[in-house]
Amino acid sequence: DQQVKQNSPSLSVQEGRISILNCDYTNSMFDYFLWYKKYPAEGPTFLISISSIKDKNEDGRFTVFLNKSAKHLSLHIVPSQPGDSAVYFCAASAIRGSNYKLTFGKGTLLTVNP
Amino acid sequence: NAGVMQNPRHLVRRRGQEARLRCSPMKGHSHVYWYRQLPEEGLKFMVYLQKENIIDESGMPKERFSAEFPKEGPSILRIQQVVRGDSAAYFCASSPTGQANTGELFFGEGSRLTVL
Repeated sequence: DQQVKQNSPSLSVQEGRISILNCDYTNSMFDYFLWYKKYPAEGPTFLISISSIKDKNEDGRFTVFLNKSAKHLSLHIVPSQPGDSAVYFCAASAIRGSNYKLTFGKGTLLTVNP
Repeated sequence: NAGVMQNPRHLVRRRGQEARLRCSPMKGHSHVYWYRQLPEEGLKFMVYLQKENIIDESGMPKERFSAEFPKEGPSILRIQQVVRGDSAAYFCASSPTGQANTGELFFGEGSRLTVL
């Protein structure tokens, strides 16, 4: 039972272009969403988050969009840089209840080509 | 280095042996979480601990797995009588509060267990 789904295992884009990573969720109790970035042989690092009361959150080159009715969120990276090449995990939690527990997707490997 | 420290980074065990993974949280953090990543999967929550207390172990397998976070020293994830299916990357994370959804969840580099 996969409550957070990242249906694209990989994505390849050219440097300078936009990267769009997608994530779908099924649990309507989720009300906080996060993106983590992971390089090989390292632990995940927090990138950006969004609460369900918002539909957009922006931080520099990174923007997360949330569509609650579709239970869908996306991470936009623009412009993409070679250093952005990593695995990106979408994660979700419920603020009410077990808000310390994150449910992760399987990840999308982003490759940014110079 | 004030980050989350995990050791060993790599551990090889034969079936039936015991594995012990250690985690020292970031300085000032008293909340520790263990996650497991099986091959081709996302990270899955295992257990949440505070000093001397297990808060939530709902993600832990019922048998062979145990975790502790003593008053002194690192948190330890212990796997007894390992089987091949235990081969995975085990990540420890810490936070200053018990609210991981604030994004203040800092992960270590992981311990990769291989069971032969």
